[in-house]
Amino acid sequence: EAQVTQNPRYLITVTGKKLTVTCSQNMNHEYMSWYRQDPGLGLRQIYYSMNVEVTDKGDVPEGYKVSRKEKRNFPLILESPSPNQTSLYFCASSPRGVGTYEQYFGPGTRLTVT
Amino acid sequence: DAKTTQPTSMDCAEGRAANLPCNHSTISGNEYVYWYRQIHSQGPQYIIHGLKNNETNEMASLIITEDRKSSTLILPHATLRDTAVYYCIVRVGGYNQGGKLIFGQGTELSVKP
Repeated sequence: EAQVTQNPRYLITVTGKKLTVTCSQNMNHEYMSWYRQDPGLGLRQIYYSMNVEVTDKGDVPEGYKVSRKEKRNFPLILESPSPNQTSLYFCASSPRGVGTYEQYFGPGTRLTVT
Repeated sequence: DAKTTQPTSMDCAEGRAANLPCNHSTISGNEYVYWYRQIHSQGPQYIIHGLKNNETNEMASLIITEDRKSSTLILPHATLRDTAVYYCIVRVGGYNQGGKLIFGQGTELSVKP
């Protein structure tokens, strides 16, 4: 089944403890992206990647890192999480060409930082 | 990107067609209309997109008016699982702006038995 998977789905952690949220897609998509969704603020893009080894900042990159060493994986790294990073996180991927905005989302990761 | 206007909420009876309107009167010639939906706290789901011709896929139909100033998403036989917030987005196709999706308020569709 074609899909985007994220792990973990739920995570409660403490301030400053490094964590990684994994994202993997099995559709051979070149484009991948991370969003966070907060009440009243909608979806905000954190980072995106046009292809392997090519990443760029979205609107809210502070406090996050990403890497794209393989086409299928795009992990989101929080080196020193803080409470303002408590949010619902979504990974998305998209095939190349017209239709970049045709994106396929993972199920989400609900992160709580205390 | 052109601004879109959607009703805040709509109801639909199960088994009937759900017609969700979207106004985008300032759309330009190279902007596509995309529809997504989000069932409570799940990942947004791509539904369909079009430029000027009507489009149909296994999920829905998209009807775009001839002047392209408005469109309607049609779910032909709504089920309870179609209850969600539906977002109409107008974007230029391609890799502009890092492929960022911006969702507005959307329409909260409630499908009732």
